[in-house]
Amino acid sequence: EAEVAQSPRYKITEKSQAVAFWCDPISGHATLYWYRQILGQGPELLVQFQDESVVDDSQLPKDRFSAERLKGVDSTLKIQPAELGDSAMYLCASSLLLEGADTQYFGPGTRLTVL
Amino acid sequence: DQQVKQNSPSLSVQEGRISILNCDYTNSMFDYFLWYKKYPAEGPTFLISISSIKDKNEDGRFTVFLNKSAKHLSLHIVPSQPGDSAVYFCAADVNAGGTSYGKLTFGQGTILTVHP
Repeated sequence: EAEVAQSPRYKITEKSQAVAFWCDPISGHATLYWYRQILGQGPELLVQFQDESVVDDSQLPKDRFSAERLKGVDSTLKIQPAELGDSAMYLCASSLLLEGADTQYFGPGTRLTVL
Repeated sequence: DQQVKQNSPSLSVQEGRISILNCDYTNSMFDYFLWYKKYPAEGPTFLISISSIKDKNEDGRFTVFLNKSAKHLSLHIVPSQPGDSAVYFCAADVNAGGTSYGKLTFGQGTILTVHP
């Protein structure tokens, strides 16, 4: 069964350092999402791509976060500089279509700890 | 302002009994609802969904009920099994006329524990 791949699974970094997370969606899925999940809360959408274009990044803290999906396949989410409050699970999801109610499939996530 | 709320942080149920997980929403634009299950160290897994044109959707042991007037949905699991122990998230989307915005708004989650 096809899965969304994410790496690394765990990342520990110090405050003010740069971190990057990678996501490879299910093959053929045009839409890719990055979510942040703080412990005890539900996932919160950070950015949504349709192919290589950003559809929604209204909740992305653009002063320190950036996301790209250059060839419309895999994607990278970067934080620079990391802050203590960025400690969370970062989840990537993909879906086949933007139009129509379509199921989002999630990867295992990257657990980020900022010290 | 939390638009999707799961007011019960946890639920404990005996194996074989019914589990009922509840979710309330405030945004009347939401018209498509989903439940996801999450095990530790894994990403959420899609469980079941319902469109606002329905009030019930069933898939095996899982049934989702939607009460639009009360802006309330619930997930029933019958019979509950120990393997159902996980965190359950409800999520909502705006699927205006078949064009989903794809921006899921999640509740905080409910930890379900099913005891043998």
